[in-house]
Amino acid sequence: NAGVTQTPKFRILKIGQSMTLQCTQDMNHNYMYWYRQDPGMGLKLIYYSVGAGITDKGEVPNGYNVSRSTTEDFPLRLELAAPSQTSVYFCASSFHRGAGSYEQYFGPGTRLTVT
Amino acid sequence: QKEVEQDPGPLSVPEGAIVSLNCTYSNSAFQYFMWYRQYSRKGPELLMYTYSSGNKEDGRFTAQVDKSSKYISLFIRDSQPSDSATYLCAMSTPNTGTASKLTFGTGTRLQVTL
Repeated sequence: NAGVTQTPKFRILKIGQSMTLQCTQDMNHNYMYWYRQDPGMGLKLIYYSVGAGITDKGEVPNGYNVSRSTTEDFPLRLELAAPSQTSVYFCASSFHRGAGSYEQYFGPGTRLTVT
Repeated sequence: QKEVEQDPGPLSVPEGAIVSLNCTYSNSAFQYFMWYRQYSRKGPELLMYTYSSGNKEDGRFTAQVDKSSKYISLFIRDSQPSDSATYLCAMSTPNTGTASKLTFGTGTRLQVTL
């Protein structure tokens, strides 16, 4: 199993450009998440999905969009990139276990710089 | 006040030392407590989890939860240079039928020196 894979690893965007961060998992997990990690700020949840066709906002969703057409894929779209979106982005997945889905598996991250 | 507080460090210890990493929290509804380890330029990986109060041991690692004090700890015995990483605590409330959203601490950077 490859686990959670993310592409690209690095990207530099100009202000106003758009891009899609790709995330794929091969563990048949029903839950998937997108986080951003800024220095000294911990991980902040952007969006999450409980299954194909179902997505919901996390703590910091502004400036981002997601879709979930399959169990495996959960792309994150940035429209009109801004310097405030410079960050490291992590995708994660987990399997629902009744009382919680705390055991999240993370991808290697995408390092994005907006200039 | 942040929901989860964690000292960012860095914490530098000699090889073989006992390391104590801690988080405090304010939300009494948290029931699941986790420690993630994150190596430089990698994604976090789950190290340990505990449910409610008590201790849990796994090899050189012990996780401790004190819900009355809203305080959790991770102890590392016989620390090794390979333990050098950032350790993030994370917490969750019980959530049946929907995704449990984790609340993370900011992480403590640990360096174990030879």
